[in-house]
Amino acid sequence: EAQVTQNPRYLITVTGKKLTVTCSQNMNHEYMSWYRQDPGLGLRQIYYSMNVEVTDKGDVPEGYKVSRKEKRNFPLILESPSPNQTSLYFCAPGTEYEQYFGPGTRLTVT
Amino acid sequence: DQQVKQNSPSLSVQEGRISILNCDYTNSMFDYFLWYKKYPAEGPTFLISISSIKDKNEDGRFTVFLNKSAKHLSLHIVPSQPGDSAVYFCAANAGGTSYGKLTFGQGTILTVHP
Repeated sequence: EAQVTQNPRYLITVTGKKLTVTCSQNMNHEYMSWYRQDPGLGLRQIYYSMNVEVTDKGDVPEGYKVSRKEKRNFPLILESPSPNQTSLYFCAPGTEYEQYFGPGTRLTVT
Repeated sequence: DQQVKQNSPSLSVQEGRISILNCDYTNSMFDYFLWYKKYPAEGPTFLISISSIKDKNEDGRFTVFLNKSAKHLSLHIVPSQPGDSAVYFCAANAGGTSYGKLTFGQGTILTVHP
């Protein structure tokens, strides 16, 4: 069964405390992406990766880092989270055109 | 600068009738368009797509129309069912050097009443 796994699903943290949201896929897609969803703003792309060791910025990359050391995993790193990074985050592996979203991670930064 | 816009935040339709969701874009480099559906507490799911070389694509009850000259696309759902109630996002891709970069609209909440 095709699966996209994100961990954690819910996280409440404090400003400045580094955190990592993991994403794993079993669909063997070369392409993976991270989005955040905010009310009234829809889905905005943070970073994407076209293959192992190849990443590029999306529309809102500030305050985030990513790495792609293996095909199945694409972690999102917040080195020093701030309250404006409170959001719903989605990982999305897929092709260059069609992407398949994970279940989401609800992050709250206080 | 919102390059993909869904100007209707919500739409209410009676079961069995047609639902029409609209999307406008400004970037003439976009050449592939997608619609996603999202239920609460779930990730968006891919619904239907269309390439800029076509003006219509159909999949069961769902049809997407593309008007390139107007930079407008629409999603038609016929007949609408209560299970179609969800948030619908349109998205666009420019291909080429923007390979992999999807730009989404703000979403439209569709409510289908029994």
